[in-house]
Amino acid sequence: QQNVQQSPESLIVPEGARTSLNCTFSDSASQYFWWYRQHSGKAPKALMSIFSNGEKEEGRFTIHLNKASLHFSLHIRDSQPSDSALYLCAVNSGTYQRFGTGTKLQVVP
Amino acid sequence: EAAVTQSPRNKVAVTGGKVTLSCNQTNNHNNMYWYRQDTGHGLRLIHYSYGAGSTEKGDIPDGYKASRPSQENFSLILELATPSQTSVYFCASGDQGGNQAPLFGEGTRLSVL
Repeated sequence: QQNVQQSPESLIVPEGARTSLNCTFSDSASQYFWWYRQHSGKAPKALMSIFSNGEKEEGRFTIHLNKASLHFSLHIRDSQPSDSALYLCAVNSGTYQRFGTGTKLQVVP
Repeated sequence: EAAVTQSPRNKVAVTGGKVTLSCNQTNNHNNMYWYRQDTGHGLRLIHYSYGAGSTEKGDIPDGYKASRPSQENFSLILELATPSQTSVYFCASGDQGGNQAPLFGEGTRLSVL
């Protein structure tokens, strides 16, 4: 069974900093890799995804995927207080997504 | 506009009672999902459905049943609620294939006393 782990559990960074969040998975046949953002008391919302090895950038956000290492990451450039949220990674290796345990990010002014 | 609506948004139940959580989607998605979210565990899949009349077990189905009477509606049923089922429950809908992210409802906060 797919095992998805995130690190760190929580993170406090100053405004303007670069933030890095990590996700590891156990099933090498996994095909789709997602990051979600969840503000307090709200629904998780898909942030961005990647399907093949390498890097994908959308605005201040970049995903890196290394399937051989069973690892992908989310990098946030110029972190803003509005980025403060719970970040969840998710992996598809079949019919549905399995989620990591989440990283709570706080960006302080 | 695509939407997933859950009801109720908050529920307090007694141990041993029956609880039904409802979910409605207007996205015409085939797949629907029920997850629970607990601190330290992320989102864990309870049941899912491929379409009307189908239900499948997810990773943590024990103590839960599901019902998909129509394309739009998917219910989660706790026949005998226990305090360990106190959690936030999210319903989601999505198309087949992992290249589309499911759309989540706003969640139901359930407390079993």
